[in-house]
Amino acid sequence: GQNIDQPTEMTATEGAIVQINCTYQTSGFNGLFWYQQHAGEAPTFLSYNVLDGLEEKGRFSSFLSRSKGYSYLLLKELQMKDSASYLCAVRDVTDSWGKLQFGAGTQVVVTP
Amino acid sequence: NAGVTQTPKFRVLKTGQSMTLLCAQDMNHEYMYWYRQDPGMGLRLIHYSVGEGTTAKGEVPDGYNVSRLKKQNFLLGLESAAPSQTSVYFCASSYAHLRINQPQHFGDGTRLSIL
Repeated sequence: GQNIDQPTEMTATEGAIVQINCTYQTSGFNGLFWYQQHAGEAPTFLSYNVLDGLEEKGRFSSFLSRSKGYSYLLLKELQMKDSASYLCAVRDVTDSWGKLQFGAGTQVVVTP
Repeated sequence: NAGVTQTPKFRVLKTGQSMTLLCAQDMNHEYMYWYRQDPGMGLRLIHYSVGEGTTAKGEVPDGYNVSRLKKQNFLLGLESAAPSQTSVYFCASSYAHLRINQPQHFGDGTRLSIL
């Protein structure tokens, strides 16, 4: 089975940096995804990590350590529009087709 | 530029009624999924399909049925709705997992209330 943990809520001010941690336990790890979900909207893809290290995409970066079962999403130069829920999802290929297991999401609140 | 389209967007049902949620994708994806999202519980997989004519159970399949008669469509049915099925339902699609860096693409969701 799998267990994915991420904080429930984080608050930060506009222009600051926030780091959202995600820890997981899985038997057939094959990649970790981060999604952004604004209230009342669909989740949208942010980043993907399958090898250890940092992936950078503009103001967003994602890090993975497979040996520690740990990832983080780093949001820099926060903007008000970054207020959203951030979902960590792990792909497991134990059953060969590669389903995703989602964490409960971290609600990020950006204040002026 | 449609992507994944879900209908309806909102629906209110009475206990015991039946309905079908429709999902269509225009990206030629092999895989399609139905999730439900409840407060504090994240997205949970109901059923999925790895190709036309094939479906399989996910994490929370009880009370739901699905069909995938065409590659681009994935239908979710509730035969006898229960209040516990009040939720937001998301459909998603993706390429086969062998294209490992390809994400799932989500529809805008269906907000379903069972009274």
